[in-house]
Amino acid sequence: EMQLIESGGGLVQPGRSLRLSCAASGFTFDDYAMHWVRQAPGKGLEWVSGISWNSGITGYADSVKGRFTISRDNAKNSLYLQMDSLRVEDTALYYCAKDEGSYYGGAFDIWGQGTKVTVSS
Amino acid sequence: SSELTQDPAVSVALGQPARITCQGDSLRKYYASWFQQKPGRAPVLVIFGKNNRPSGIPDRFSVSSSGNSVSLTITGAQAEDEADYFCNSRDSSGKHLVFGGGTKLTVL
Repeated sequence: EMQLIESGGGLVQPGRSLRLSCAASGFTFDDYAMHWVRQAPGKGLEWVSGISWNSGITGYADSVKGRFTISRDNAKNSLYLQMDSLRVEDTALYYCAKDEGSYYGGAFDIWGQGTKVTVSS
Repeated sequence: SSELTQDPAVSVALGQPARITCQGDSLRKYYASWFQQKPGRAPVLVIFGKNNRPSGIPDRFSVSSSGNSVSLTITGAQAEDEADYFCNSRDSSGKHLVFGGGTKLTVL
């Protein structure tokens, strides 16, 4: 069974950092692009960041560019999101999602259950 | 604001066709994907590419496009289709991905 399990969320003060992780299983991780998508409480989906199969291409939403860094370790079947200089508006449920292709086309065919990030003083 | 626009809500009678639209200039060049999200659950991919359905998605879900608009059609909406639906695609620069604001589908 293809599965994604996120971890690392929690309550953090504005300006601090947090690192999210996503453990993949049930598929050949290094064949596919991966993404982070977030959803603020009661709101829609927002693409946060994506990374190609070999880390050669990364992309970020304007709202997080310069503050968040996506990375992956194909040997560990893991995806990461380093979040620095966190803001209250970064509060959301963060999903890890698998792309159906090796570069990011947007068809996220597998999703995790999400990890909650709350930024508050 | 999102570069992809969706109507906030659509209602349909049980068994009737439902149409949910996504508009944006980037859709003239790039395919859209569609996701279904039920309360408290992670999104599920229902359509991607020209008209591809992942395994397990009923064939009552289909997509069509015209100009800068893509439409998700559910032929014969069922009670279990009641959910939020989101489209996504590349943005106008082609370098990033973007989601539409979502459409809440109510099956009456």
